[in-house]
Amino acid sequence: NAGVMQNPRHLVRRRGQEARLRCSPMKGHSHVYWYRQLPEEGLKFMVYLQKENIIDESGMPKERFSAEFPKEGPSILRIQQVVRGDSAAYFCASSPMRQAGTEAFFGQGTRLTVV
Amino acid sequence: QQPVQSPQAVILREGEDAVINCSSSKALYSVHWYRQKHGEAPVFLMILLKGGEQKGHEKISASFNEKKQQSSLYLTASQLSYSGTYFCGLLGANFGNEKLTFGTGTRLTIIP
Repeated sequence: NAGVMQNPRHLVRRRGQEARLRCSPMKGHSHVYWYRQLPEEGLKFMVYLQKENIIDESGMPKERFSAEFPKEGPSILRIQQVVRGDSAAYFCASSPMRQAGTEAFFGQGTRLTVV
Repeated sequence: QQPVQSPQAVILREGEDAVINCSSSKALYSVHWYRQKHGEAPVFLMILLKGGEQKGHEKISASFNEKKQQSSLYLTASQLSYSGTYFCGLLGANFGNEKLTFGTGTRLTIIP
């Protein structure tokens, strides 16, 4: 059973370009969470999705950021018109049910560098 | 609100014990502990649920004081592989809010 797969592992974008980060949850997991981590800092919640639904996006910046988890295919975190401040590691985690009583498994992350 | 972890960093010799604390200003439903090594993904260690249920690894123990809204992770007879940054993630007692809010982490370094 493969773990949570994120790609690409490293992504370099120029200011103003778009970044698309992909996350394939573990088999059988229908809950996906995205977190952002700056160097030497903790994990900041961004968005929680179930298949075809955004459950909680309270951690997402209001502009330029969007996320989806379609019926088929991976979850996508999309950042439009990237700026230097978007440079960070973006982790997704998946769980088979709501996080309350079960562990979430993290992917290896995508390290976004904006130049 | 972000959980507060202490200490921020600790250096131990192999074989020594450590306690990492995590506290919240809000009522909690569960506490999740993860360890992250540099450049890698966080790895699940343990969940402690309100009511006393625990799920986790055999060699790691933790406590959850619901009244004080605190949790502690106990690492005994530390090994070199225990090095990394430990994060607690808290889930609030309000069940509408189901995202894990992580603390700033405790960096643990084990030296031979």
